[in-house]
Formats: sequence, C-alpha cells, structure tokens
Amino acid sequence: QVHLVESGGGVVKPGGSLRLSCAASGSSFSDYYMKWIRQAPGKGLEWVSSVGTTNSYTKYADSVKGRFTISRDNAKNSLYLQMNSLRVDDTGVFYCATEGGDFWGQGTLVTVSS
Amino acid sequence: EIVLTQSPATLSLSPGQRATLSCRASQSVGKYLNWYQQKPGQAPRLLMYETSNTATGISARFSGSGSGTDFTLTINSLEPEDFAVYYCQQRSDWPRTFGQGTKVEI
Repeated sequence: QVHLVESGGGVVKPGGSLRLSCAASGSSFSDYYMKWIRQAPGKGLEWVSSVGTTNSYTKYADSVKGRFTISRDNAKNSLYLQMNSLRVDDTGVFYCATEGGDFWGQGTLVTVSS
Repeated sequence: EIVLTQSPATLSLSPGQRATLSCRASQSVGKYLNWYQQKPGQAPRLLMYETSNTATGISARFSGSGSGTDFTLTINSLEPEDFAVYYCQQRSDWPRTFGQGTKVEI
C-alpha cells in the first residue's frame, strides 16, 4: 500500500510557475515508477509525465514538454512537478499516482488565470 | 500516439442490469490496457490491469476482456455505487493515453 498526498496547487497568472509535491507513505516509494495525471474541469484524464525509480528516466506529454519537469527524491519519499510558463489550458486537478495506476492521491487544483 | 475511443459516451441502465463498455485502440496495445472508475470529486480508482486482471479490492462483478485493439469492460448486476465514469488507458507505449470516458448513469 502506498498513500499519496499532493500539495502545491493554487492560482497563478499565465506565464507563471508552480511546483507540485506528492508525499508518499507506506510501502517502498523508491520501488515504484510514478506519474502525474491532470484533469481539466469537467473533462477527462490526461497523462502529463512519468518518472522511473530514479530521475534518469522521464517521459512527458508533448503539451508540457520543455515547460514541466518531473523529479523525485527517494530519500524524502516525494515526487515533484515543476511547472513553468503556465498557460490557461493547464488549469485542472493534478493527481500523482503510481505508474501502474494502483495508488492515487486526492489531487491538487491548479488554476491559471489572469 | 495511440488514440483510445470509448463507446458509448453514456450508458443509461438500471440497478441489476449488465453494463458493457467498449474501448478501441488506433493500434495494437497488446494486453496493456487498464480500466479506471471515477466518481464525482474523487480520484480515479483502478479496476482492471493488463486487460483482465482485477485490481485489489475490486468486486468480481467487474471483468475485462480483449486484446490488441478491442477491449471490453463488463459490469454484471449493476449496484448503485457502480454509477460513475469509466476510463480505459493504454500502457503499451508513450505517450500514455486515456479514452474519453463512458458515463454509466441510472
């Protein structure tokens, strides 16, 4: 079992930055590939990024490539998503989850608005 | 990228009926297809992984089948708590992609 709790969401202006965090507890966090998924208001699920058990393996959706950076700190049992150059269409709930999809956090809301 | 198309968009059924949800991939994903359930205000919950394996704690009323490009999630004897939105997701290739969802409503 892995318990995940996201934080760091909020309201930001277009062009701004935010850093999301995901704190893990329970089973060995370092053994899991992890991912970020977002959901725009009233819309479906969109995969954003994934990271392997170390930061040497990362993948990004084209829509965020070059703007977002995923990372993890296994010593702190934490996953991060650095989001730069935010756009209005980045607005939504961001979930962290294990890559296999078996464990999810409750989500954190990011609102990009002027 | 692999496009997943779910049908129907909405399924209107009554408790006790069977629900059959479809997910079609634009190219083969082998067996690497997951199904999720999402209720309003909640995170998605994994139902099935690798097409037909039931996730931990999921009722035996849920079953998955298919391979390659055509997949089905079946919910036998719908319970009130089953009315939700269901998403398929492929884990065969990058980028990972989701279907647009099927809403199962009363």
